[in-house]
Amino acid sequence: AQKITQTQPGMFVQEKEAVTLDCTYDTSDQSYGLFWYKQPSSGEMIFLIYQGSYDEQNATEGRYSLNFQKARKSANLVISASQLGDSAMYFCAMREDQTGANNLFFGTGTRLTVIP
Amino acid sequence: DTAVSQTPKYLVTQMGNDKSIKCEQNLGHDTMYWYKQDSKKFLKIMFSYNNKELIINETVPNRFSPKSPDKAHLNLHINSLELGDSAVYFCASSPWDGGSKTIYFGEGSWLTVV
Repeated sequence: AQKITQTQPGMFVQEKEAVTLDCTYDTSDQSYGLFWYKQPSSGEMIFLIYQGSYDEQNATEGRYSLNFQKARKSANLVISASQLGDSAMYFCAMREDQTGANNLFFGTGTRLTVIP
Repeated sequence: DTAVSQTPKYLVTQMGNDKSIKCEQNLGHDTMYWYKQDSKKFLKIMFSYNNKELIINETVPNRFSPKSPDKAHLNLHINSLELGDSAVYFCASSPWDGGSKTIYFGEGSWLTVV
């Protein structure tokens, strides 16, 4: 079974509008971490935001916020006030702590296009 | 200063050759990784090293071998390259604290096998 599922291959958003990128995860670990990364056309992987499974509040980093719904096993990324520079691939990822390793399991990504 | 740096960024080589990709991190992290991103953009862990000890070895062909001369470096050696090895290879690093909140990636190395 997929550990991370991103069901939106592509999304469009008008500049200055907000957009939500979906991510659901599957784990039996009680302790885990959820990450979002941005990959622009230049190819580098840019860390955006982190949410720990025991964090009670949703994580926020500037215009990025993570809508964490533990019971539904979802960790959606919300980008507010979209900018043209937000056009990129976005990856959701999970780290499972019981394995004792720090490796990330990635989703298949969502390509976001911001329209002027 | 670049936190995680990889060289070369682009590599075009013929089938059957042996090549290496170097990775260095200046963050003082204990753990380093290699990830592979295929043509469909899917990222998958290949290896990770914690204090020079291999702690993950996914089911990758043994033609791929990570080598860590010290905590700040994790190089990827690939023998007898095949067409299917064409991909982007990312090096990454993180602190080893039982649950890193950030894993930093290098800029990627684009490998094309012809």
